[in-house]
Amino acid sequence: GAGVSQSPSNKVTEKGKDVELRCDPISGHTALYWYRQRLGQGLEFLIYFQGNSAPDKSGLPSDRFSAERTGESVSTLTIQRTQQEDSAVYLCASSLARTGRQKLFFGSGTQLSVL
Amino acid sequence: KQEVTQIPAALSVPEGENLVLNCSFTDSAIYNLQWFRQDPGKGLTSLLLIQSSQREQTSGRLNASLDKSSGRSTLYIAASQPGDSATYLCAVDNTDKLIFGTGTRLQVFP
Repeated sequence: GAGVSQSPSNKVTEKGKDVELRCDPISGHTALYWYRQRLGQGLEFLIYFQGNSAPDKSGLPSDRFSAERTGESVSTLTIQRTQQEDSAVYLCASSLARTGRQKLFFGSGTQLSVL
Repeated sequence: KQEVTQIPAALSVPEGENLVLNCSFTDSAIYNLQWFRQDPGKGLTSLLLIQSSQREQTSGRLNASLDKSSGRSTLYIAASQPGDSATYLCAVDNTDKLIFGTGTRLQVFP
């Protein structure tokens, strides 16, 4: 596609429910990243994929968070038993390769609100 | 642990002024540094990428410099316009992921 696409753009859920956030990277981009941005704060790294494998999961805040990527394309970030502190904008980004040499392209994000 | 700081946190200026946004980082062993722009309700747009071996990059009215040894980068915006109003983020890459600063919120008024 022309850019990184994320869905849904907005998600309102009740505390304790599970949610799935989807990211479609730019075609051909092998690297994919998930970040979280809480209101008024900076971007917090969650997880990074190279192809379908995740060399760095260090940013996942708890075992309620998981992510997968298939076909070196679409990625899904799943949050189980959501808590109010999970409310944030979840941003996905992709690049041709490792960020050491490539620009990162971001989607518009998913605004998650946990009531 | 890499920490990225941006100063000032917010800036409001009249149209036409030349601006300097500052970014500092604690670990100088970086691959590159990127400047992004974030508009409300939208994702981030990459403005400039400076490799660790470079000292500056230019794009139109934007110029970014990098002094890796001192852990500093500067984004210079010439002849600012109202359309430049946004939050500007710098990010450093030293472990295959970008570490972001908290941004400078810029408002340029006519």
